[in-house]
Amino acid sequence: GDSVTQMEGPVTLSEEAFLTINCTYTATGYPSLFWYVQYPGEGLQLLLKATKADDKGSNKGFEATYRKETTSFHLEKGSVQVSDSAVYFCALGGAGSYQLTFGKGTKLSVIP
Amino acid sequence: DAGVTQSPTHLIKTRGQQVTLRCSPKSGHDTVSWYQQALGQGPQFIFQYYEEEERQRGNFPDRFSGHQFPNYSSELNVNALLLGDSALYLCASSLVGTGANVLTFGAGSRLTVL
Repeated sequence: GDSVTQMEGPVTLSEEAFLTINCTYTATGYPSLFWYVQYPGEGLQLLLKATKADDKGSNKGFEATYRKETTSFHLEKGSVQVSDSAVYFCALGGAGSYQLTFGKGTKLSVIP
Repeated sequence: DAGVTQSPTHLIKTRGQQVTLRCSPKSGHDTVSWYQQALGQGPQFIFQYYEEEERQRGNFPDRFSGHQFPNYSSELNVNALLLGDSALYLCASSLVGTGANVLTFGAGSRLTVL
């Protein structure tokens, strides 16, 4: 079945540091890929998505590229802020499906 | 514009009891999905409702059931609660035809089973 593997956390970075959170997936067909963010006490918010190979999703300085050859969708940000502290989830969804498969999440803490 | 609202936000039950969680989708959305998020884990898909019928279901036992009402709101029912049912239950809504994967999540209902 479909699965998502993302790097174990927690990750602690200083403000303005470069962020990479690795995500790889296993899926049949051609899924869409997502990054969701969960701030403390809140629901998941869609951060960015990509629907086909080589697509780059971007939002709020975050970006991720759908790499079919390496089955990866790594999340990057050039300069993190304290306000980026949250749990980040990589997810995939089959075409036309409401069933998203999530990774276990990576907790990011950014210190001033 | 109200997003997805869920109630109650927190509740405590004992083993063997039954629980009902409620969800109002984002205005304009017509389909609702439910997810279970255990502590330290990613959300797991329970099922999805559209036009008052269950359309997709994840790997959850029949103790988990749901309902969608004509106003698109939804309920999740869990019978014969087990300790392992303790989790954050997330409701997500979407509009059919705009991209099945584009979900708006609520803040969740945290269930503790003692």
